[in-house]
Amino acid sequence: QKEVEQNSGPLSVPEGAIASLNCTYSDRVSQSFFWYRQYSGKSPELIMSIYSNGDKEDGRFTAQLNKASQYVSLLIRDSQPSDSATYLCAVSIPGGFKTIFGAGTRLFVKA
Amino acid sequence: GAVVSQHPSWVICKSGTSVKIECRSLDFQATTMFWYRQFPKQSLMLMATSNEGSKATYEQGVEKDKFLINHASLTLSTLTVTSAHPEDSSFYICSARDFQGRSGGEQYFGPGTRLTVT
Repeated sequence: QKEVEQNSGPLSVPEGAIASLNCTYSDRVSQSFFWYRQYSGKSPELIMSIYSNGDKEDGRFTAQLNKASQYVSLLIRDSQPSDSATYLCAVSIPGGFKTIFGAGTRLFVKA
Repeated sequence: GAVVSQHPSWVICKSGTSVKIECRSLDFQATTMFWYRQFPKQSLMLMATSNEGSKATYEQGVEKDKFLINHASLTLSTLTVTSAHPEDSSFYICSARDFQGRSGGEQYFGPGTRLTVT
């Protein structure tokens, strides 16, 4: 079982819609959760961090964490073509010295 | 804040030569830096964890004698690809953690170095 699992996609949504990206993790002691965005040919960029159960909103992005279900998600409201990228879910164990990345979900936002 | 730079951004070298890539944290101290490799349309692959003042920890299958890592200061780690071959052509990306861990473990990535070995 992979430590951090994501659907590889591609996930295709029309412009203006809500894109929902999901991630599950296997280590119950995981403490910190992150979403990165990676454009083709570029390095990953941190867009959201979440540490406690519930929702965390930042602009058009909302991260949701459910530790009991070992599930973290990212919602992108009012999706734009510029949101088209690969989104990486990442999980750190206590101490945070190692972060495990998922393989990423490719998102396409159609104009 | 939390800016990480890499140099060079791209490099072309001949087979058999060595290439050094620098990774710097510009506005914070990083006791730990990470080196990743990414082939086209594939996932990030962690190569090694670089710790300031000590030997790097390599992931399984990564040749430590081929990929030399030096983390001489809290703001600089270097990766040297020795005796490079065409199969080493890839996108090499470093990342760094904030020294005090205030961030909760976020890694901040450099812009990457695209290596082409001819």
